Amino acid sequence: EIVMTQSPATLSVSPGERETLSCRASQSVGSNLAWYQQKPGQAPRLLIYGASTRATGIPARFSGSGSGTEFTLTISSLQSEDFAVYYCQQYNDWGEWTFGQGTKVEI
Amino acid sequence: QITLKESGRTLVKPTQTLTLTCSFSGFSLTTGGVGVGWIRQPPGKALEWVALVYWDDDKRYSPSLKTRLTITKDTSENLVVLIMTNLDPVDTATYYCVYSQGSRTAPGAIDYWGQGTLVTVSS
Repeated sequence: EIVMTQSPATLSVSPGERETLSCRASQSVGSNLAWYQQKPGQAPRLLIYGASTRATGIPARFSGSGSGTEFTLTISSLQSEDFAVYYCQQYNDWGEWTFGQGTKVEI
Repeated sequence: QITLKESGRTLVKPTQTLTLTCSFSGFSLTTGGVGVGWIRQPPGKALEWVALVYWDDDKRYSPSLKTRLTITKDTSENLVVLIMTNLDPVDTATYYCVYSQGSRTAPGAIDYWGQGTLVTVSS
């Protein structure tokens, strides 16, 4: 089983700042890495797939990069609506998905 | 427009069996590459993949839950059913039904999520 490790667990930031979240895979997942945003009481929402492709309707301030085992999600200028928990997920193994433990972005 | 909705008992006693149904619309589970799965999330904790069924009836289960799970699909009714046996309080979680599309050479991420249903395991 591929283990996904996210860091940090919590990020305390101010609106307008640029922040980078990290995700590491225990073995290569190629570019089969997605990022999701989850707000309290809501289902997660797909932000990035293929490590760097924004999903439909996702603002350009969200960007993803990386391949293999190291990945990052960057939010270029944090807006109030971006305070949430962010999860990475590998889907490289057909029919076996794993998620990271999440990074909470708080004010 | 793709939608998924979970239904089932929300309060289950320990050792009992849980049956969850995912009703979906906007796609067919006979289309090549389509998969419908279940993700769960204990209160205040991270997401955990549970099970998946693909258009060709390929079924996959979380290794840690495999012995307790059965997933089936009904393509005529647009339903996916998850059965989990021998429930324990640690199975208390919100269970999400999800949609993915890809191929064995180019797997897909989770494009759509249901709203989730909170299942509580308690005596």
